[in-house]
Amino acid sequence: GQNIDQPTEMTATEGAIVQINCTYQTSGFNGLFWYQQHAGEAPTFLSYNVLDGLEEKGRFSSFLSRSKGYSYLLLKELQMKDSASYLCAVRGMDSNYQLIWGAGTKLIIKP
Amino acid sequence: DSGVTQTPKHLITATGQRVTLRCSPRSGDLSVYWYQQSLDQGLQFLIQYYNGEERAKGNILERFSAQQFPDLHSELNLSSLELGDSALYFCASSVVSGTGSTDTQYFGPGTRLTVL
Repeated sequence: GQNIDQPTEMTATEGAIVQINCTYQTSGFNGLFWYQQHAGEAPTFLSYNVLDGLEEKGRFSSFLSRSKGYSYLLLKELQMKDSASYLCAVRGMDSNYQLIWGAGTKLIIKP
Repeated sequence: DSGVTQTPKHLITATGQRVTLRCSPRSGDLSVYWYQQSLDQGLQFLIQYYNGEERAKGNILERFSAQQFPDLHSELNLSSLELGDSALYFCASSVVSGTGSTDTQYFGPGTRLTVL
């Protein structure tokens, strides 16, 4: 079957660094996406990886290892506004290339 | 602002009723996706339309249906509503059909449906 695993919840301190992991098992691989979702709001696109390696975008970076079926989202210099859920989604090769969504990781930032 | 619009923002109705949710995609986007998100749950993919045609179906109940019109806006119809249908309903759009690996989905603000 197809599956995406993320930790349910993480806690970090303002100003620190946090790494949110995502492991996946899908029928084929055609890209991995990270989204941020504040409570009650829409998911917003953060990053996209299709090749192995690190993609950096300001305070956020995303890493992919296709051979390990593994990705992480790295958030640096954490701010209180980073408190949100972070969703990992993978585009496989079947089901008409639909995104397969993880349940999300709720990140709580403490002062 | 993603450029995807959804109306209404909130909807309160009774069990057994029927409602219609509306979505307008970003300018130039041909695909529309509908998702359901119950309280503290993950996103559940319902259905995708591409340029007016149904492209993919997820876990959509038979009581639910959708369509995409020639101007590319889409409507999700929910009928015989049950208490368990209370959720946030999101629409997302993307440029093409989703088969391209870089095709990114952008989400609207959602419609919060409450069934009493």
